[in-house]
Amino acid sequence: GNSVTQMEGPVTLSEEAFLTINCTYTATGYPSLFWYVQYPGEGLQLLLKATKADDKGSNKGFEATYRKETTSFHLEKGSVQVSDSAVYFCALRVGNQGGKLIFGQGTELSVKP
Amino acid sequence: SQTIHQWPATLVQPVGSPLSLECTVEGTSNPNLYWYRQAAGRGLQLLFYSVGIGQISSEVPQNLSASRPQDRQFILSSKKLLLSDSGFYLCAWRNRDRGLEAFFGQGTRLTVV
Repeated sequence: GNSVTQMEGPVTLSEEAFLTINCTYTATGYPSLFWYVQYPGEGLQLLLKATKADDKGSNKGFEATYRKETTSFHLEKGSVQVSDSAVYFCALRVGNQGGKLIFGQGTELSVKP
Repeated sequence: SQTIHQWPATLVQPVGSPLSLECTVEGTSNPNLYWYRQAAGRGLQLLFYSVGIGQISSEVPQNLSASRPQDRQFILSSKKLLLSDSGFYLCAWRNRDRGLEAFFGQGTRLTVV
């Protein structure tokens, strides 16, 4: 079946530290991959996406590369800010069945000044 | 531009009471619609999705039901709430003809007491 596995949180970093949140997936076919961010008390916002192998999604200093050979889509940022504190979700889109998204369990990031 | 509205934002209901959460989308037509639940400290679980009026697919057996009486309206219901129904409910939509990502509402925090 289709599934997404993320590294467990919470992750606590100091401001300007380097961030990596690991994400691996299992899927039939060729899924599209996403990272969503959820700020406290809010819904989810799309952070970045990649639609095929070797694509790199980027936004607001965050990057993730679609690695088909390792079935991974790790999220990285070179220098985190306090405002990046949130829960990050990795997801894949199944092409059929209504295009539904399958999410990982989420990783909470806390950035300290 | 497209917007998604979800209400209420917060709800406290006694065990055994009925539930109705509403979600509407503006600025698009014939969207795919989704209901997700986020239990405390856990990831997102897809509950229902709909590809058209009156068409509902259920992902997991549960105490909830969904309906789509109009093209851009998606309702989540229960006849009798259980304590285990507590959680953060998120509605989402996707343009099936354009774009791969889903867009989320602000969510409803449901506490069953």
